[in-house]
Amino acid sequence: GNSVTQMEGPVTLSEEAFLTINCTYTATGYPSLFWYVQYPGEGLQLLLKATKADDKGSNKGFEATYRKETTSFHLEKGSVQVSDSAVYFCALIISSASKIIFGSGTRLSIRP
Amino acid sequence: EAQVTQNPRYLITVTGKKLTVTCSQNMNHEYMSWYRQDPGLGLRQIYYSMNVEVTDKGDVPEGYKVSRKEKRNFPLILESPSPNQTSLYFCASRDTGTRGYEQYFGPGTRLTVT
Repeated sequence: GNSVTQMEGPVTLSEEAFLTINCTYTATGYPSLFWYVQYPGEGLQLLLKATKADDKGSNKGFEATYRKETTSFHLEKGSVQVSDSAVYFCALIISSASKIIFGSGTRLSIRP
Repeated sequence: EAQVTQNPRYLITVTGKKLTVTCSQNMNHEYMSWYRQDPGLGLRQIYYSMNVEVTDKGDVPEGYKVSRKEKRNFPLILESPSPNQTSLYFCASRDTGTRGYEQYFGPGTRLTVT
């Protein structure tokens, strides 16, 4: 079946550190891939997406590249800020008529 | 402003007392869905709807009902709530016309059943 596996948290980093949150997927067909972010007390919001192999999604300094050969979509940021503290979810969707499948989420805490 | 709204945001109730959580979206989306979020379990889909009068079970539908009489509204009904339904609930919607469309989430409803 289709699934998403992301690195366990929590992840704690100092401000300005480099961030990587790993995400791998299993899917039949050709999924679109997403990273969602959930700030404290809020709902999920789309951070970035990629719809085909080798696409790079980017937003707010975050990037992720759709790697079909390694079935991965790792999230990276070169210099994190305290305001990046949140829970990050990797997700995939197979088609417009199917449901979106989420990873279990990774809690990120940035200390000043 | 494009948004998904949910009400109430917080609810404390007792076992067995029927309740409804409303969800509304203003983006004319066909697809709507309910999720619950629990520590260590991530997001689990409860029910979804592909369009008006079309609903289907998600991964954890037991103890819940939904209806989709209008395109914009998708209420979640707990006929006889139990303590194991204490959770954070999210409504979401998206378009189905094009691959890769993002899903929009409501702000969440924190439900406590005592």
